Amino acid sequence: DGGITQSPKYLFRKEGQNVTLSCEQNLNHDAMYWYRQDPGQGLRLIYYSQIVNDFQKGDIAEGYSVSREKKESFPLTVTSAQKNPTAFYLCASFAQGETGELFFGEGSRLTVL
Amino acid sequence: RKEVEQDPGPFNVPEGATVAFNCTYSNSASQSFFWYRQDCRKEPKLLMSVYSSGNEDGRFTAQLNRASQYISLLIRDSKLSDSATYLCVVNSKAAGNKLTFGGGTRVLVKP
Repeated sequence: DGGITQSPKYLFRKEGQNVTLSCEQNLNHDAMYWYRQDPGQGLRLIYYSQIVNDFQKGDIAEGYSVSREKKESFPLTVTSAQKNPTAFYLCASFAQGETGELFFGEGSRLTVL
Repeated sequence: RKEVEQDPGPFNVPEGATVAFNCTYSNSASQSFFWYRQDCRKEPKLLMSVYSSGNEDGRFTAQLNRASQYISLLIRDSKLSDSATYLCVVNSKAAGNKLTFGGGTRVLVKP
């Protein structure tokens, strides 16, 4: 079935370590997004990409990095420069057109100890 | 000022009642709008797109007011299963399809 796969679902890391979250889609969508959600809050945009080898900073890009080497893949690295990395991370791809629907993965919960 | 703002609630709604809430956006060039529903600790799911003329899907009605820069969602005959957080999303195509979420409005439907 088509969809978005995020991994890992749960991740624990020590402070100061970089961690990379995987996001893969087989929906043939050009656009992909990374959001962060903190408890009781909405989703905040970290990075987004409209095409391969191109991406834009969202509203809270500091301390994160991304790459878009393939259409299907948009991994997010949470670096040690991110001051409060513990959060729920959601990856999505965007179906442009009439519905304009965002398709989300199930999310990755990162806890930094 | 945030790009997209919502009343966080919670809106406590008796079962069967009607509830409505808004979402304001600051970028007048925003071109498309959506309502998503999010259940606790799950990913958001599309509830409905918001069209210029307003649109209805069963018990749900969405409206767009470009002059005042807000969208609204109305839920009629509320069900217990409508309890969730409702997120509005604004698309700025000029910024390369930047999709910005509001903070969400929590709705609790009670018997």
